[in-house]
Amino acid sequence: NAGVTQTPKFQVLKTGQSMTLQCAQDMNHNSMYWYRQDPGMGLRLIYYSASEGTTDKGEVPNGYNVSRLNKREFSLRLESAAPSQTSVYFCASRSSPGQGVNTIYFGEGSWLTVV
Amino acid sequence: QQQVKQSPQSLIVQKGGISIINCAYENTAFDYFPWYQQFPGKGPALLIAIRPDVSEKKEGRFTISFNKSAKQFSLHIMDSQPGDSATYFCAASTDTGRRALTFGSGTRLQVQP
Repeated sequence: NAGVTQTPKFQVLKTGQSMTLQCAQDMNHNSMYWYRQDPGMGLRLIYYSASEGTTDKGEVPNGYNVSRLNKREFSLRLESAAPSQTSVYFCASRSSPGQGVNTIYFGEGSWLTVV
Repeated sequence: QQQVKQSPQSLIVQKGGISIINCAYENTAFDYFPWYQQFPGKGPALLIAIRPDVSEKKEGRFTISFNKSAKQFSLHIMDSQPGDSATYFCAASTDTGRRALTFGSGTRLQVQP
């Protein structure tokens, strides 16, 4: 059982370049999330998806787009990377009430540096 | 707006001692309060969680104390071990709507042998 899988693990981008972070979960969860982690600031929600085809902005959505094409996969896209987007990105998923243990499971993280 | 405030930022404890981390929240709609443990290079992993209908929950050496009227909750690690050295995050969420976690800023715990 892989849980939540993120790719790539590490990436260096130049300012203005674009890239997509991929995330997949195999726990049949409806809810999926993208967070970013910066020193001293905990994890902040970028985008959220309640189910396939639905997405909603979180606390820090500017500069990002997301896509929930199916139940398993939730991708995060940086259209024009900026140094302020240097961070560690975590994908997560959560079961629906009554679907089992009600908690959020995180992937291993994607370290992104924008130079 | 920081809805979950966590302290201290860092903590050094001797092996066998008690580690205490505190959090305070603002949103009274929160009804799920987990603690996550994160090791370097890894994602956060659920350690223990509590709901506001109980004042304390214990799992092994880890205990959550919850004070609903004060809107505060804390993590106690008894008999702290070097293997407990990690960053700990408190969090809170509602059980309806987006059910996303709002995190505290984290506490880096170092347990000295």
